[in-house]
Amino acid sequence: GESVGLHLPTLSVQEGDNSIINCAYSNSASDYFIWYKQESGKGPQFIIDIRSNMDKRQGQRVTVLLNKTVKHLSLQIAATQPGDSAVYFCAEKATGNQFYFGTGTSLTVIP
Amino acid sequence: NAGVTQTPKFRVLKTGQSMTLLCAQDMNHEYMYWYRQDPGMGLRLIHYSVGEGTTAKGEVPDGYNVSRLKKQNFLLGLESAAPSQTSVYFCASTLGGAVVNTEAFFGQGTRLTVV
Repeated sequence: GESVGLHLPTLSVQEGDNSIINCAYSNSASDYFIWYKQESGKGPQFIIDIRSNMDKRQGQRVTVLLNKTVKHLSLQIAATQPGDSAVYFCAEKATGNQFYFGTGTSLTVIP
Repeated sequence: NAGVTQTPKFRVLKTGQSMTLLCAQDMNHEYMYWYRQDPGMGLRLIHYSVGEGTTAKGEVPDGYNVSRLKKQNFLLGLESAAPSQTSVYFCASTLGGAVVNTEAFFGQGTRLTVV
């Protein structure tokens, strides 16, 4: 099966600082990589995706970087806010439109 | 537009009992998925469907069955519940079709406890 993992299970940052959440993947054949945010008691919510032929993609306050050489994905959140506190999952899209998720990183923003 | 709705939200079952979790989406999405979420293990794909009348196995299908008789509904069944099936279950859907779509919409989850 697929293997998507995260380097750090928890991350604490000061409000206003930038956050970086990392993810490792194993399937070179995945064509998209996606980041999701899950707030307590809710289902995951899509943040941003990146196609496998790209290195970087930017959204609103978020940037995803893809390093295919080392099979590494990261999510950067600029000017982290208390509302960013959540669990963040990376996922990869496999053949047949299946999505495989990592174990998650819990981000805590300290006011 | 409710998005993805799961029922029930909570359930306690005794070992050996059966139940069905219902997922309904009103976005006309082709693909639907069932995941389970356990502490420290992220979300694991149980079964999925790429269209009405079709189903396929995911990572952890054992002990579960699914049906997609209508496009908007995806049912997850537990024939004989076991304590190992205690988990939070999430349903999701994606648009599907010819254009690649990676944005999955998730329901609020069903917290199932098997005693």
